[in-house]
Amino acid sequence: DQQVKQNSPSLSVQEGRISILNCDYTNSMFDYFLWYKKYPAEGPTFLISISSIKDKNEDGRFTVFLNKSAKHLSLHIVPSQPGDSAVYFCAARKANSKLTFGKGITLSVRP
Amino acid sequence: EAQVTQNPRYLITVTGKKLTVTCSQNMNHEYMSWYRQDPGLGLRQIYYSMNVEVTDKGDVPEGYKVSRKEKRNFPLILESPSPNQTSLYFCASSWSLASSYEQYFGPGTRLTVT
Repeated sequence: DQQVKQNSPSLSVQEGRISILNCDYTNSMFDYFLWYKKYPAEGPTFLISISSIKDKNEDGRFTVFLNKSAKHLSLHIVPSQPGDSAVYFCAARKANSKLTFGKGITLSVRP
Repeated sequence: EAQVTQNPRYLITVTGKKLTVTCSQNMNHEYMSWYRQDPGLGLRQIYYSMNVEVTDKGDVPEGYKVSRKEKRNFPLILESPSPNQTSLYFCASSWSLASSYEQYFGPGTRLTVT
């Protein structure tokens, strides 16, 4: 049972435009949500996170939005840059429990 | 430099030949875990360890063993590898389970079992 779902396997956007990466979850006990970024031949690296008590968290060009009623979160990248091309994993966790990852989405930013 | 290292980075082996993938972290982290990444399946946790001599199964533990004799090392052991264990493996560490979201990942080990 996939508790964290990234239903789109890939996304392609033009440089300078907005990238919106979506993630849905099924477990209402999740209280913390994260996005990890992974380049080829490297391990995932933490990008941005949000607590369930918030609905938005911003860090530079990256903003994560959380809609608890819809059990949905999204990562916005504005403006998108070619260096943002990577696989993005959505992850979630319950208090004092392990992370559960989604399948990942491959973002391609076209110059 | 704070890091998680894995060795080897690439490995091709044959069915049934025991192998060990090493993982080491230099951040004095208590929590360590192993993941495998497969196309269309994302990152799935194999085993984790909350501290020395404390290990537990993750989501896909079958066919794997781990040990945690020292805080810094967390080797992954495949006693009798099979082709379905061909995958990309990542070791990760964090201060504790409570801070498991702040995980540092190693660079990955690509394993092929023929």
